[in-house]
Amino acid sequence: KNEVEQSPQNLTAQEGEFITINCSYSVGISALHWLQQHPGGGIVSLFMLSSGKKKHGRLIATINIQEKHSSLHITASHPRDSAVYICAVTNTGNQFYFGTGTSLTVIP
Amino acid sequence: KAGVTQTPRYLIKTRGQQVTLSCSPISGHRSVSWYQQTPGQGLQFLFEYFSETQRNKGNFPGRFSGRQFSNSRSEMNVSTLELGDSALYLCASSLRDAGQETQYFGPGTRLLVL
Repeated sequence: KNEVEQSPQNLTAQEGEFITINCSYSVGISALHWLQQHPGGGIVSLFMLSSGKKKHGRLIATINIQEKHSSLHITASHPRDSAVYICAVTNTGNQFYFGTGTSLTVIP
Repeated sequence: KAGVTQTPRYLIKTRGQQVTLSCSPISGHRSVSWYQQTPGQGLQFLFEYFSETQRNKGNFPGRFSGRQFSNSRSEMNVSTLELGDSALYLCASSLRDAGQETQYFGPGTRLLVL
């Protein structure tokens, strides 16, 4: 069993739709990271959070520590949001665990 | 500020050889982490260096090693390459603590082992 589970694995949306990607984890964590990877491999760190909610532009990340669950929301999705979104957690020993990623395609 | 740079970007080696990859962090960043990404296993944490010391290590065999220099630049070495080592190797830097801060990723080195 993976320490970090993401859903869905693949997601296709129409431009403008509201998108939610979910992440559940089974280990005690000190932080959770959301990463974005575009074709070609480059990775960008979107959020690092340990509680509550963070917002950056059209992106919102939430975490519920009690339920061991985080969500990444994209409002007013755009084709340039097409990428793989990866959830990662660091446990109290600073070990990293990664989800397998959610491949998002936004169609114009 | 210049971003994280990795060299080389692409590399082809044969089984049994060894390889050294280099990572230059963002100026002022003292933590450098290395990751392996494969289609089958996804992203996996290799190790983190801070102030020339390995602070954390993932679950990889001893063939994978690294070091960090006084200017925070880091190298990772893989000895006795196996076909399964073919992967994208990414490094990331952060100010002090990879787990607790935003990390900035380099473009990666794509290694092919034949």
